[in-house]
Amino acid sequence: DAGVIQSPRHEVTEMGQEVTLRCKPISGHNSLFWYRQTMMRGLELLIYFNNNVPIDDSGMPEDRFSAKMPNASFSTLKIQPSEPRDSAVYFCASRLAAERQETQYFGPGTRLLVL
Amino acid sequence: AQSVTQPDIHITVSEGASLELRCNYSYGATPYLFWYVQSPGQGLQLLLKYFSGDTLVQGIKGFEAEFKRSQSSFNLRKPSVHWSDAAEYFCAVLNSLEYGNKLVFGAGTILRVKS
Repeated sequence: DAGVIQSPRHEVTEMGQEVTLRCKPISGHNSLFWYRQTMMRGLELLIYFNNNVPIDDSGMPEDRFSAKMPNASFSTLKIQPSEPRDSAVYFCASRLAAERQETQYFGPGTRLLVL
Repeated sequence: AQSVTQPDIHITVSEGASLELRCNYSYGATPYLFWYVQSPGQGLQLLLKYFSGDTLVQGIKGFEAEFKRSQSSFNLRKPSVHWSDAAEYFCAVLNSLEYGNKLVFGAGTILRVKS
């Protein structure tokens, strides 16, 4: 199994530019999560999907952030326009089922730097 | 709201020595508890999890954790640390009362292993 795949692994962009982060969950998993990790705030959940439907986006910081899951094998997190304070590591995780006790498997993360 | 406290930001131990990483949670009902490990530049890997039953949980890589309800703790232990255990360790709690799926993470403990 390839695990959760994220791309790009690193992204450097200038303030104001649009950034799109991509995630391919583990095949067969039907829950997907986007997390952000920063020194100041640690790991925080941004949004999660069950069966491609967004269930809770209360962690999305503001309207500049949007996430989509057009099908079971692909999700995007978009920041438009990006700002320096968005610099962080963004993780995608997937889970086999909606049951809470199932393990979330994390991808390697995308390291975003906004100049 | 639930929260997780990892009181030690950094811990340094000698290779071969025993290890205990502390984790305290704040949650009214029986929590679902997790320990994840993050190696530099990598995603998070699940070490072990507790949902119910035996309060001593065995995980991968020789780690174990003990759930103590009276102390609201879920400390991670390993009897003999290897240099490859140097990483950052995160304790997390999952809300078990609602359908939501928010893993709330502690701030993490960075483990350094000296030879």
